[in-house]
Amino acid sequence: GESVGLHLPTLSVQEGDNSIINCAYSNSASDYFIWYKQESGKGPQFIIDIRSNMDKRQGQRVTVLLNKTVKHLSLQIAATQPGDSAVYFCADDSGNTGKLIFGQGTTLQVKP
Amino acid sequence: DAEITQSPRHKITETGRQVTLACHQTWNHNNMFWYRQDLGHGLRLIHYSYGVQDTNKGEVSDGYSVSRSNTEDLPLTLESAASSQTSVYFCASSEDPPGIGNTIYFGEGSWLTVV
Repeated sequence: GESVGLHLPTLSVQEGDNSIINCAYSNSASDYFIWYKQESGKGPQFIIDIRSNMDKRQGQRVTVLLNKTVKHLSLQIAATQPGDSAVYFCADDSGNTGKLIFGQGTTLQVKP
Repeated sequence: DAEITQSPRHKITETGRQVTLACHQTWNHNNMFWYRQDLGHGLRLIHYSYGVQDTNKGEVSDGYSVSRSNTEDLPLTLESAASSQTSVYFCASSEDPPGIGNTIYFGEGSWLTVV
């Protein structure tokens, strides 16, 4: 079946450095992806999304890159701050149904 | 401000008991979803609804039911709680049409422990 997976369960970075969180997907027909941030004890919070007709999309301090050839997407966070410490999930909503398929999450730890 | 709220936030129940988790949203969204989150897994879809009187099974629906009698609420019921249903439950909602860039908003979660 369809799956979405993250490459590393934990990523530790120094404050001020850039962070890159990776995600792979299995369904070549997948065409809509969303990144969520989940802080401890809270629900997932939308960060940024991207459709398959784009290779790159930028937000405030975040960039998502999509490589359809190798079925891979990444979330880049510029100048990582302590407030960025959280679990990050990629999710696939390729059916445009709102039924999300989540990866397992990467925990981002920011060292002061 | 419009929001999505879940209750209770924490609950401990005994095996075999019926439990209902409430979800209420004030955005007037037609689309509502219930997910569970377990250690080592991302969120997995339990049930979803695209409008009043509409309910559908998700990936892990066994042992759960939902009802949608109005736009604002989608209560999740565990018919006979089992230890395997110890988890964190998240309710979510989105505008029409589902997907296509309509942001899915999540509640703060309900921590359920079945002993």
